[in-house]
Amino acid sequence: EPEVTQTPSHQVTQMGQEVILRCVPISNHLYFYWYRQILGQKVEFLVSFYNNEISEKSEIFDDQFSVERPDGSNFTLKIRSTKLEDSAMYFCASSLGQAHTEAFFGQGTRLTVV
Amino acid sequence: KNQVEQSPQSLIILEGKNCTLQCNYTVSPFSNLRWYKQDTGRGPVSLTIMTFSENTKSNGRYTATLDADTKQSSLHITASQLSDSASYICVVIPYGNNRLAFGKGNQVVVIP
Repeated sequence: EPEVTQTPSHQVTQMGQEVILRCVPISNHLYFYWYRQILGQKVEFLVSFYNNEISEKSEIFDDQFSVERPDGSNFTLKIRSTKLEDSAMYFCASSLGQAHTEAFFGQGTRLTVV
Repeated sequence: KNQVEQSPQSLIILEGKNCTLQCNYTVSPFSNLRWYKQDTGRGPVSLTIMTFSENTKSNGRYTATLDADTKQSSLHITASQLSDSASYICVVIPYGNNRLAFGKGNQVVVIP
């Protein structure tokens, strides 16, 4: 069964460092998303991406964040200068169509900023 | 601001028993409502998807209901199993955009 895969599963980084979280969406999907979940809190939308550009982003997704689909299979989330409060589980998701169709989530990357 | 509220926050049930989880939302209009199961440290997995015109949807021992008039949904788990221990998240998709609005989840613990 096709699935969304994320790497690494756990990343520890020092405050101020740049991190790149990687995702391989399901191959025929067209819409890609990043969400985050701070420990004990609800999942929060960060950004959606379609046709090689951002289609929507939340207030959380500020200039520190960027997304890229560099090679047609990977979908990456970059955090330029990490802060302690960026520590969270980051989930990538993909869907065949827009949000009215089912989104499939990856297993997540746990980012710990120290 | 879109809101999705779930209750109870946590629930302990005996294996084999049934339980019902509640979701109240203020998102309007919306295109569909979903229930996801999230095991600890894992990504959410879809259980049911209902459009605004559907009243009920089943997936094995999981049955979701939707009352669009009162903006309430429920998820009923029948004959619970130990593997049902997880967080169950109500997600509402507003009409016209791609943002999924998540509830905080109902934490269910099934004990033998």
